[in-house]
Amino acid sequence: NAGVTQTPKFQVLKTGQSMTLQCAQDMNHNSMYWYRQDPGMGLRLIYYSASEGTTDKGEVPNGYNVSRLNKREFSLRLESAAPSQTSVYFCASSEPLYGGRAQRELFFGEGSRLTVL
Amino acid sequence: GENVEQHPSTLSVQEGDSAVIKCTYSDSASNYFPWYKQELGKRPQLIIDIRSNVGEKKDQRIAVTLNKTAKHFSLHITETQPEDSAVYFCAASILGNNYQLIWGAGTKLIIKP
Repeated sequence: NAGVTQTPKFQVLKTGQSMTLQCAQDMNHNSMYWYRQDPGMGLRLIYYSASEGTTDKGEVPNGYNVSRLNKREFSLRLESAAPSQTSVYFCASSEPLYGGRAQRELFFGEGSRLTVL
Repeated sequence: GENVEQHPSTLSVQEGDSAVIKCTYSDSASNYFPWYKQELGKRPQLIIDIRSNVGEKKDQRIAVTLNKTAKHFSLHITETQPEDSAVYFCAASILGNNYQLIWGAGTKLIIKP
């Protein structure tokens, strides 16, 4: 049971290049999220997918696109990378299988460190 | 919209002492307040949460208190240990709406030996 798996862990891009961050979860969760984490700014939601087949913008969606490929996978794409997108990106999922929490604990991947030169 | 402020940004305490991290929120409709711990280079993990129908919740050495009137909540860690060194994030949302979680900027807790 791997939980939430993100790839790649590290990536360096040049301005204008494109790339896709991949995320997969094996917990049968319905909801998935992409966050970015910048120093002194906490976590900011980029996009989320409440369930398979739906995606919605979060707090900072500009410059990104997402695809919920199936229930397990949720990818984040940067079409034309900019230095302002240098950040650590976290994928997360929620909805535990076995209850016990009314609120849905977020389970995070290990993060992807992206540098845009 | 919701805004969450977290203080202090860095907290250094002697091992064995207590640590307190405070957060304030702006939206009175928020009723769910989780705390996540992120060790260096690791993923954030939920350590404790509280709903607005209770004023305090404890789990071994950690506790969270909530003051709905003043719109602030705090994380208390007693008998701190080296493994408590991490960045702690508070957040606020309306129960059930993870996509509406608004996060504090984080507190780096340093435990001095």
